[in-house]
Amino acid sequence: GENVEQHPSTLSVQEGDSAVIKCTYSDSASNYFPWYKQELGKRPQLIIDIRSNVGEKKDQRIAVTLNKTAKHFSLHITETQPEDSAVYFCAASTSVYGGSQGNLIFGKGTKLSVKP
Amino acid sequence: DTGVSQDPRHKITKRGQNVTFRCDPISEHNRLYWYRQTLGQGPEFLTYFQNEAQLEKSRLLSDRFSAERPKGSFSTLEIQRTEQGDSAMYLCASSLRGTYQETQYFGPGTRLLVL
Repeated sequence: GENVEQHPSTLSVQEGDSAVIKCTYSDSASNYFPWYKQELGKRPQLIIDIRSNVGEKKDQRIAVTLNKTAKHFSLHITETQPEDSAVYFCAASTSVYGGSQGNLIFGKGTKLSVKP
Repeated sequence: DTGVSQDPRHKITKRGQNVTFRCDPISEHNRLYWYRQTLGQGPEFLTYFQNEAQLEKSRLLSDRFSAERPKGSFSTLEIQRTEQGDSAMYLCASSLRGTYQETQYFGPGTRLLVL
């Protein structure tokens, strides 16, 4: 089955710096890669996602890149702010049953701390 | 609030007792997922439904766990004869099959503590 590895487990940056979190996946059939942000005691919230037919996607200060050949994808956050502090999870999913998405396989998370 | 809701938010029980959790998905969503999250880990898939049909179960889901979605709307997850290792956050998510990306939206979770 699919396995998703996520690095680093903790990341500390100064406000205004960039942060990069990397994930690798094992199943070449995986074709959907979302990123979730989870603040302490709250639900995971989707911040950006990408499909395997796209190499990069940006949304304001957040971008995700995908390398299908190497089976890895990365989250890039620019101009970090203290409110970006949270745990970030990457995930992977494959298509099942006529093209719809199946369940998500998550990485173990990265705790990002942005120091003012 | 039109998001995914879960009840109860917290549950403390003694080992050997049965517990049941409820999840109400976003109203038009036909897919409903259950995940389990332990401290310092990402959510782990347990099972999912499309409408009332349970389409997949993880091997993590022992025979003490059962889930239902009888009318294709809310779902319940029951754990029988709870063990201390069942202590975790149980997350529910829903999505609408056929929409772009089929984004899964998570509920706030039910935190279970087995003493």
